[in-house]
Amino acid sequence: DAGVIQSPRHEVTEMGQEVTLRCKPISGHNSLFWYRQTMMRGLELLIYFNNNVPIDDSGMPEDRFSAKMPNASFSTLKIQPSEPRDSAVYFCASSLPNRGISNQPQHFGDGTRLSIL
Amino acid sequence: LAKTTQPISMDSYEGQEVNITCSHNNIATNDYITWYQQFPSQGPRFIIQGYKTKVTNEVASLFIPADRKSSTLSLPRVSLSDTAVYYCLVGGLSSGNTPLVFGKGTRLSVIA
Repeated sequence: DAGVIQSPRHEVTEMGQEVTLRCKPISGHNSLFWYRQTMMRGLELLIYFNNNVPIDDSGMPEDRFSAKMPNASFSTLKIQPSEPRDSAVYFCASSLPNRGISNQPQHFGDGTRLSIL
Repeated sequence: LAKTTQPISMDSYEGQEVNITCSHNNIATNDYITWYQQFPSQGPRFIIQGYKTKVTNEVASLFIPADRKSSTLSLPRVSLSDTAVYYCLVGGLSSGNTPLVFGKGTRLSVIA
């Protein structure tokens, strides 16, 4: 069973460059989440989608960040322009539809380690 | 947001039972309690979830008292491979629930 697939695994780029992170959720999962993890702030939810529609993007740090989900099997997180403080591990997760008030477990990818020089 | 408080770190010897307690005094009526495990260089992995009383699966048990203001993750007979960070989350994404927030977690070190 293929899990959540993220690419690239590592990205090193200079500040000011555009960065695009990619995620392929588990087939059949209709919720997709983007997280950022740093030592200082821990794991932060940036945005999540239900059925390809962004539901809550209040965690997106600023306008330099944007996320899209053009179809059920692909999502991107873009940073333009990138800054050194964006350096972090970015995780994508997906889950089955939430029914009622219980939470479906989120399945995480292995993350993209981003370094902005 | 329902804030969670858990110990920053814990040490244990192999073969012992480990209990990690999480406080969540402001838990909402509809909130569920979920625990995740994270190994270095990997994404978090779901362990267990519950609403009240006790839940048990093949890897852990979750104890939730009647007032639901705390919960305890119990790992039976830990091994070196259980060394990881454990996160307690309260809330949910359905209407009326607290958004899920990962805290700093508890870093468990299992010693031989």
